[in-house]
Amino acid sequence: GAGVSQSPSNKVTEKGKDVELRCDPISGHTALYWYRQSLGQGLEFLIYFQGNSAPDKSGLPSDRFSAERTGGSVSTLTIQRTQQEDSAVYLCASSLLAGVAGELFFGEGSRLTVL
Amino acid sequence: AQSVTQLDSHVSVSEGTPVLLRCNYSSSYSPSLFWYVQHPNKGLQLLLKYTSAATLVKGINGFEAEFKKSETSFHLTKPSAHMSDAAEYFCVVSDPNFNKFYFGSGTKLNVKP
Repeated sequence: GAGVSQSPSNKVTEKGKDVELRCDPISGHTALYWYRQSLGQGLEFLIYFQGNSAPDKSGLPSDRFSAERTGGSVSTLTIQRTQQEDSAVYLCASSLLAGVAGELFFGEGSRLTVL
Repeated sequence: AQSVTQLDSHVSVSEGTPVLLRCNYSSSYSPSLFWYVQHPNKGLQLLLKYTSAATLVKGINGFEAEFKKSETSFHLTKPSAHMSDAAEYFCVVSDPNFNKFYFGSGTKLNVKP
């Protein structure tokens, strides 16, 4: 597609359930980033991928969070046993190359609400 | 470590008047800095970036930012606000390898008619 696509756009789940958030980056972009935007706060860095590899997972808030990327394209962010504090907008971005000061292209986000 | 502080959570200006959105940075290295804009229900979009070239950086839609090392600042300005500028603006600093980008808490710009 023309831009970064994220799905679902909205997800309401019950505490304790698992959720999967999907990001489809711009074709050919090798770098992919996940951020979390909580109400009234800035963007919190979660993880980045160079190709299919995630060199640094230290931004993930807890071991309930995991992410993978396959085929150098689609990425999935999984949150297990969701908690109310996980409620936020999860943003995905991609850029042409990792390790350069290139532009990040953002999707419109997946809004997660944990009841 | 790198971080940015946006000094105002909300700024309100009248249409046609200047805009100033303030950002201070902290970096262990010579920083690369960015401004992004987020319109309601839209994805973030790059306005401009500084990567150790000219200290005055021009971006899209008439925005500019000046890198001032002595003040550790990277304020965003525009001479004349337009209604369409109403949005949230984020100041961003990258790590030296451009693998992580650290966002400020954002400044919401309101433009009054």
